[in-house]
Amino acid sequence: DQQVKQNSPSLSVQEGRISILNCDYTNSMFDYFLWYKKYPAEGPTFLISISSIKDKNEDGRFTVFLNKSAKHLSLHIVPSQPGDSAVYFCAVSGTGNQFYFGTGTSLTVIP
Amino acid sequence: NAGVTQTPKFQVLKTGQSMTLQCAQDMNHNSMYWYRQDPGMGLRLIYYSASEGTTDKGEVPNGYNVSRLNKREFSLRLESAAPSQTSVYFCASRPGQGTLQPQHFGDGTRLSIL
Repeated sequence: DQQVKQNSPSLSVQEGRISILNCDYTNSMFDYFLWYKKYPAEGPTFLISISSIKDKNEDGRFTVFLNKSAKHLSLHIVPSQPGDSAVYFCAVSGTGNQFYFGTGTSLTVIP
Repeated sequence: NAGVTQTPKFQVLKTGQSMTLQCAQDMNHNSMYWYRQDPGMGLRLIYYSASEGTTDKGEVPNGYNVSRLNKREFSLRLESAAPSQTSVYFCASRPGQGTLQPQHFGDGTRLSIL
């Protein structure tokens, strides 16, 4: 039973435009939400996070939005660059020490 | 700055063979994790260790055992490998339970079981 879903396996965006990646979760008790970026043959690297007390967190070109009532998380990348091409995973955590990951969205930024 | 180091990077086993995947972190983190990544499945937690001396099962623990050897090292053992355990295995660490801190991942071990 999947706790976290990323319904878009892939996304293509033109360089300079906005990339929007989406993530839905099932349990309202989750209170920490993260995005990771993964290049081939490497491990995931942390990108940005947000706690449940906020609805937006920004770091340079990356912004994460949290809609707790809809149990929905999104990552906006503006402007998108070719180096952003990677697989993006969302992850969620509650009061315990476990993290649950989505299945990933492969982003391709076209020059 | 090594971070999380996994060995080996690649391994091919025959069904029934045993194998230990090694993981070490140099960030003085308390918590360590083992995940597997399969196509279309994302990362699934096998086992984790909240702190030195403790281990707990994750989502998919069957067929695996773990040892938290010390604060730095967390190993994953396949006692009798099966083709269904062909996967990419990632080790991760984070400062500790209850902190809003992300996990740091190693670069993975690609394991094929014939």
